[in-house]
Amino acid sequence: QVQLAQSGGGVVQPGRSLRLSCEASGFTFSSCGMQWVRQAPGKGLEWVAVISSSGRTTYYADSVKGRFTTSRDNSKNTMYLQMNSLRAEDTAVYFCTKEISHDNWYFDLWGRGTLVTVSS
Amino acid sequence: EIVMTQSPATLSVSPGERATLSCRASQSVSSSLAWYQQKPGQAPRLLIYGASTRATGVPARFSGSGSGTEFTFTISSLQSEDFAVYYCQQYNNKPPITFGQGTRLEIK
Repeated sequence: QVQLAQSGGGVVQPGRSLRLSCEASGFTFSSCGMQWVRQAPGKGLEWVAVISSSGRTTYYADSVKGRFTTSRDNSKNTMYLQMNSLRAEDTAVYFCTKEISHDNWYFDLWGRGTLVTVSS
Repeated sequence: EIVMTQSPATLSVSPGERATLSCRASQSVSSSLAWYQQKPGQAPRLLIYGASTRATGVPARFSGSGSGTEFTFTISSLQSEDFAVYYCQQYNNKPPITFGQGTRLEIK
């Protein structure tokens, strides 16, 4: 079954860290660029980060640059989002997504999302 | 960064009628435009890419058109399951990719 299974969300205090995971199944993960998109409560979609199929290339939204790091382990079919120095404005549902094809940054597969709440 | 503006914010339409949504880009994105549907508590679902190509399994009542800065998304005859929020997304100038703020399609 083609899917992205997410884990790692929760409630965290401002300034602390959290790591999200996204495990892929049903397709050749190592051939696919992967991305993170988030959605604050009641708001629209915001792009967060991208990682190339090899993991060698990453880009980040200005709002998270220097605080968030995405990585992947192709041997485990898993992508990660390490979130440091979290702020209240990082509160959102985080979706992992799969690019439909190389360098086409739109998404034919989404995880169910994981809620991150930053609050004291 | 390209700003995507969707209109209207909310659209009220009766089942069986036609719904037309708009998306405008702050500069040309060629045909690099996707549309997604999102229902409450669910992840978005890809409907259209390349401005007018339906994704796999998407019914023919969904269509998209436009290029450059002006795009239209149409549902020809609304079914009950179509009431949701719809987002456009440009992927021509990246990073970053950017989304519109969404159009809520509600039952009239």
